Amino acid sequence: NAGVTQTPKFQVLKTGQSMTLQCAQDMNHNSMYWYRQDPGMGLRLIYYSASEGTTDKGEVPNGYNVSRLNKREFSLRLESAAPSQTSVYFCASSLMTGTDTDTQYFGPGTRLTVL
Amino acid sequence: ELKVEQNPLFLSMQEGKNYTIYCNYSTTSDRLYWYRQDPGKSLESLFVLLSNGAVKQEGRLMASLDTKARLSTLHITAAVHDLSATYFCAVDGGGGADGLTFGKGTHLIIQP
Repeated sequence: NAGVTQTPKFQVLKTGQSMTLQCAQDMNHNSMYWYRQDPGMGLRLIYYSASEGTTDKGEVPNGYNVSRLNKREFSLRLESAAPSQTSVYFCASSLMTGTDTDTQYFGPGTRLTVL
Repeated sequence: ELKVEQNPLFLSMQEGKNYTIYCNYSTTSDRLYWYRQDPGKSLESLFVLLSNGAVKQEGRLMASLDTKARLSTLHITAAVHDLSATYFCAVDGGGGADGLTFGKGTHLIIQP
């Protein structure tokens, strides 16, 4: 199992450019998430998808859109990148069974710089 | 709004010593998580705590949860250099699949 995979690993954009961050999981998880990590801020939830076909806003959704393409894939789109979106982006997935084995599994991250 | 506070945010300690990281959260939650992050890496799950009084141990790390006090602790026993990392607690305030609210992390350095 590859777990959670993300592409690309690194990206540099100019202000105003658009891009899509890709995420896929092979663990048959129902729920998927996008977070951003900024120095000293911990991780903040951008969007999540509790199940295939649904998406909801998290704490910091402005400037982003998401698509749950199927059960495996959850993409994050920046329509018009801004320097404030310079960050490390993590995708995660989980299978919520109500037991203490539930956890979110994180991808390796995408390091995005917006100039 | 759910808030999660960790302290300390930075901790430098010597090998062989014991220490505790604290995680307070502001609203009722059924689930609390601890993660480890090494520099430039992703997050690794350490513990999932689901009920009041839950205690879990793995090696030199032990986590506990007091839902009445809205407090979790991560205790490090006889620290070794390999435990140097940033530790995050995170709380699920939405009942399961709604995403986590993270603390800012505790940057732990263990010196020989």
